[in-house]
Amino acid sequence: GENVEQHPSTLSVQEGDSAVIKCTYSDSASNYFPWYKQELGKGPQLIIDIRSNVGEKKDQRIAVTLNKTAKHFSLHITETQPEDSAVYFCAARGGADGLTFGKGTHLIIQP
Amino acid sequence: NAGVTQTPKFRILKIGQSMTLQCTQDMNHNYMYWYRQDPGMGLKLIYYSVGAGITDKGEVPNGYNVSRSTTEDFPLRLELAAPSQTSVYFCASSYSASSGEQYFGPGTRLTVT
Repeated sequence: GENVEQHPSTLSVQEGDSAVIKCTYSDSASNYFPWYKQELGKGPQLIIDIRSNVGEKKDQRIAVTLNKTAKHFSLHITETQPEDSAVYFCAARGGADGLTFGKGTHLIIQP
Repeated sequence: NAGVTQTPKFRILKIGQSMTLQCTQDMNHNYMYWYRQDPGMGLKLIYYSVGAGITDKGEVPNGYNVSRSTTEDFPLRLELAAPSQTSVYFCASSYSASSGEQYFGPGTRLTVT
């Protein structure tokens, strides 16, 4: 089955700086790669996603890049703000049987 | 739309007891999923359903059962609860496998002692 590795497990950045979280996946058949943000005590919420026919997608301060050859994808957050502090999960999916998640990155924005 | 709702929010079970975690969605989604999240870990798929009357196992199905009699509801049953089932359980739904976004409920925090 699919295996998703996510790094780093914790990331601390100064407010206003950029943050980058990286993931690799194992199944070349995977074609959908979402990123979720989870705040304490809440369910994950989709913040951006990318499909295998696209190399990059941007939504305001958030961008995701995908390298299918290397089987890795990354989340980029620019001009970080205190409300960006949360746990971020990458995931991959190839078929109907749900998402395979990475272990998460705890992003800390230092004032 | 309420989205995906889960009950209860918290529950403490004794070893060997049984319970049902409820999940309901009002978005007319065909696909529904149950995940568990252990501390410091990502979510792992327990069971999923592609429509009423159809269910299938995910990565960690042992100790759980599901049913899908309606489009809206997808309950998760724990029989003979064990401490290893202490976790946070999330239900999710999506319109289709290819449409992408899975919408998650707020979760049920279960402790088995």
